[in-house]
Amino acid sequence: ELKVEQNPLFLSMQEGKNYTIYCNYSTTSDRLYWYRQDPGKSLESLFVLLSNGAVKQEGRLMASLDTKARLSTLHITAAVHDLSATYFCAVPPRSSNYKLTFGKGTLLTVNP
Amino acid sequence: GAGVSQSPSNKVTEKGKDVELRCDPISGHTALYWYRQSLGQGLEFLIYFQGNSAPDKSGLPSDRFSAERTGGSVSTLTIQRTQQEDSAVYLCASSLDSGGIYEQYFGPGTRLTVT
Repeated sequence: ELKVEQNPLFLSMQEGKNYTIYCNYSTTSDRLYWYRQDPGKSLESLFVLLSNGAVKQEGRLMASLDTKARLSTLHITAAVHDLSATYFCAVPPRSSNYKLTFGKGTLLTVNP
Repeated sequence: GAGVSQSPSNKVTEKGKDVELRCDPISGHTALYWYRQSLGQGLEFLIYFQGNSAPDKSGLPSDRFSAERTGGSVSTLTIQRTQQEDSAVYLCASSLDSGGIYEQYFGPGTRLTVT
C-alpha cells in the first residue's frame, strides 16, 4: 500500500522567512503533484513533477522531486501572508498513474 | 472556461436516507474522479472513470456507495442508507489523460452531514 508522509503538518512562520515542506512516499512512483487548499475551498493544482530531478518554480514556491529517495520538497522563499493555506502532496503508484494518494497536508500560517 | 462544478454545495440528511451528489466535469476532460475529505481520514480516492472503460471502484468504502457517469460527462455519486461516518466533503475532479499525466482539477465539493 502506497503511503505518503508530509512534514511538518503544522508550520507557523513569519513573513520574509524561508522554509521547506517535505513529502516522502513509500513505493516507486515517477510523478508527484502539489496542491494548495484555502480554508473552505477546493484544491488548486500547483505543480506537476514528472521525473527524477524535476524542479519547478512559481513565484515564491519551488518544488523538486527525487524519485530515488522517494522525496519531494516544497520550498517557500520570503513568505508572505497570502501563502497561508494547506499544502498537499499527492503520489500515484506506477501501476495506476491516475490514482492519487494524498499526504495529510501541511497547514501553513504566515504571520506578519 | 468553466471549472468543475458540483451540486449541492451542502447536504444535510438523516441517518438511513439515500443521497445523490452530482459532478459536472470540465468540458473535454475524459477522466473523472471522486474523492472524500474528512478530518480523520484526509483525502481518500473513491472512484475513477475514463472514457468508456470500466471504472476503477477500488476506493469505494462499502457497497452502499456507487457512482455512474452518463454519456462520458456528468457523474452522480450515490450513498445509500447513509451513516454518520459518511459525513465528509465529497470532491469531484476531472482531467485529461496526457500520456499518463493526470493533472486533476477539483470542484468546490459537497459537504455532506448525516444527522
